[in-house]
Amino acid sequence: EAGVAQSPRYKIIEKRQSVAFWCNPISGHATLYWYQQILGQGPKLLIQFQNNGVVDDSQLPKDRFSAERLKGVDSTLKIQPAKLEDSAVYLCASSLDLSGRGGTTVFFGSGTQLSVL
Amino acid sequence: AQSVTQLGSHVSVSEGALVLLRCNYSSSVPPYLFWYVQYPNQGLQLLLKYTSAATLVKGINGFEAEFKKSETSFHLTKPSAHMSDAAEYFCAVSVHSGGYQKVTFGTGTKLQVIP
Repeated sequence: EAGVAQSPRYKIIEKRQSVAFWCNPISGHATLYWYQQILGQGPKLLIQFQNNGVVDDSQLPKDRFSAERLKGVDSTLKIQPAKLEDSAVYLCASSLDLSGRGGTTVFFGSGTQLSVL
Repeated sequence: AQSVTQLGSHVSVSEGALVLLRCNYSSSVPPYLFWYVQYPNQGLQLLLKYTSAATLVKGINGFEAEFKKSETSFHLTKPSAHMSDAAEYFCAVSVHSGGYQKVTFGTGTKLQVIP
C-alpha cells in the first residue's frame, strides 16, 4: 500500500516569497491533515479536511496560509508571504476516519522542510 | 479541549536498560491514545494505540504502554533498549469532536541510547 506522498522534500526561500506544498494521501482516506512541526516541538495542526470540506482550521494563520483539497483527494498548502518564523517541517497526514469516532490511525508523509531566510 | 504532557524532553538510557517515557493526558471525554516515533528527517510512524479494548497495549519493536485512567497516564516502556530505538517519541490524544477526529500531540521526548 502506498503511503502519504509529499513534495518537495526541502525548500529554501527568502522572506516575503511564496511557497506551495503538495500532498497525496493514502487512497481512500477521507481525512487529510496538515501539521506544522517547528524544531524541538510536537506537530501542531494547521488544517484538517474531511473529504473536501474543512473541519478545523482554527490554528491556520489565514492572513498568509491557505489550503485546498481538490476533489477530496490531494491537497496543496500555500504560504504567501513567508516569514522567518514559518521555518519548520510541514507534515501531511491522512486517516480512514469515515465515522469521526476517533481512534483511527493517522499516517504521516515524510514532510517538507522549509527554511525561510 | 484535550491536551498531552510529556515529561522530559530528553531521556538517556544505556543499551539494554529499561526505557520509560512518560505521557499524561487531559480530556473531558473518553480518549484514544497513541504513541508515535520519529526518526531524523522522517515523518511520524505509529508505535501503538489505545482504543479501549485493553489497557495494556503492545506495539512494534517491543514497546508497550499501559492506559491508567485514575492517573490519566499512558506511559511507554520497553524492557531493554536497543541502539536503533534512538529517536523522538510523541504521545497523542484523539477524541471525537463535532463529527470528526481531533488529534493533539505532545511536545515529544528525544531518546538517546548510550552504548
